[in-house]
Amino acid sequence: GAVVSQHPSRVICKSGTSVKIECRSLDFQATTMFWYRQFPKQSLMLMATSNEGSKATYEQGVEKDKFLINHASLTLSTLTVTSAHPEDSSFYICSGSDSPYEQYFGPGTRLTVT
Amino acid sequence: GQQLNQSPQSMFIQEGEDVSMNCTSSSIFNTWLWYKQDPGEGPVLLIALYKAGELTSNGRLTAQFGITRKDSFLNISASIPSDVGIYFCAVNNNNDMRFGAGTRLTVKP
Repeated sequence: GAVVSQHPSRVICKSGTSVKIECRSLDFQATTMFWYRQFPKQSLMLMATSNEGSKATYEQGVEKDKFLINHASLTLSTLTVTSAHPEDSSFYICSGSDSPYEQYFGPGTRLTVT
Repeated sequence: GQQLNQSPQSMFIQEGEDVSMNCTSSSIFNTWLWYKQDPGEGPVLLIALYKAGELTSNGRLTAQFGITRKDSFLNISASIPSDVGIYFCAVNNNNDMRFGAGTRLTVKP
């Protein structure tokens, strides 16, 4: 149980375009979903937290107008990277939670901006 | 914000050896977690610890939640090649989860 999927697993886009990443909880209802970013050889850094039906809460230094998060249902959250630039290239990982104690992570999305 | 210090940063061991890694923090936490991440994948939960002093096993893995609630260790016994990966400690404070820097484990057959 507690499976989270992400789509796409890899995406390459041109600088200046936008890209959307989907995160789905497959067998549980994720009242809270999280988005992390991981640069090579680094740890996961929390970008934002979203509760279903509410606006996301962004961590300090993360631009909310650049990283648009939508958590429209208890099983789906999307992250849209707008006007992507090469420095946005990273591994984006989502997680879902139905309790305050554990998070279940997706397999990640590798974004490359050329 | 709170900082987790995870060590060692990397380990190179022979198959069959035991491994130990640990995390410390300057703050008290009520939940400590250990994850493993394979290349190109998301982290997978290995062990969750919810009580100070708790010692929990999962197969060849054993983790302890320090009595002061400021540290935790993870032991892997009799390592095998598939233990290769990055191990992260994490703390969870009411869904505010923070990760250590990770320990990169290499196991030589």
